[in-house]
Amino acid sequence: DIQMTQSPSSLSASVGDRVTITCRASQNIIAYLNWYQQQPGEAPKVLIYAASNLPSGVPSRFSATGSGTDFTLTISSLQPEDFATYYCHQSHSTPQTFGQGTKLEIK
Amino acid sequence: QVQLQQSGAGLLKPSETLSLTCVVSGGSLSGYYWSWIRQPPGKGLEWIGEIDHNGNINDNPSLKSRVTISVDTSKNQFSLKLTSVSAADTAVYYCAKVSRTSSGPKWLDPWGQGTLVTVSS
Repeated sequence: DIQMTQSPSSLSASVGDRVTITCRASQNIIAYLNWYQQQPGEAPKVLIYAASNLPSGVPSRFSATGSGTDFTLTISSLQPEDFATYYCHQSHSTPQTFGQGTKLEIK
Repeated sequence: QVQLQQSGAGLLKPSETLSLTCVVSGGSLSGYYWSWIRQPPGKGLEWIGEIDHNGNINDNPSLKSRVTISVDTSKNQFSLKLTSVSAADTAVYYCAKVSRTSSGPKWLDPWGQGTLVTVSS
């Protein structure tokens, strides 16, 4: 199985901060990497697909880069609604796997 | 816009069979894969498997053949069965549509609302 390692596991930040979350795959997954945001008690929602693409409706303060094994998600200016848990997800190989999550908390 | 509505029993005893259904509205099952994912309380996400409208399945070997994923195109729904459940199977179970680009990368969107399944004697 491909292991997905996110860092950090948790992060405290303030509204307006710029934050970066990283995700490393144990094998080359090309650009088969997605990012999801999960609010407490809700289903995850896709933030980024295919490593760097924003779905319609996702604010432009979210961006992502990477290919191969190393990927990053950046939030340029944190808003109150961004405090949530973020997961990376590889869809390159079966079984698909997720990172362990990064909990973004208000400082 | 595609929406997924889940249903199924939320409380099971050890050794029973988990059974969940996901009804798709606003679109057809055809042309896509449809997935199941679970999340134990307070933990991360685990991919269970996926199925297309023809019944082609990819699943997670970690569940050791306890999983059956099926599709019913006449009802525009797909289902998950997990046999011989134990406390370790307690989780929120989600269904999701597998969206994809023409070049290959795929992602999960949208998701169902989730069903908490608790296994307890």
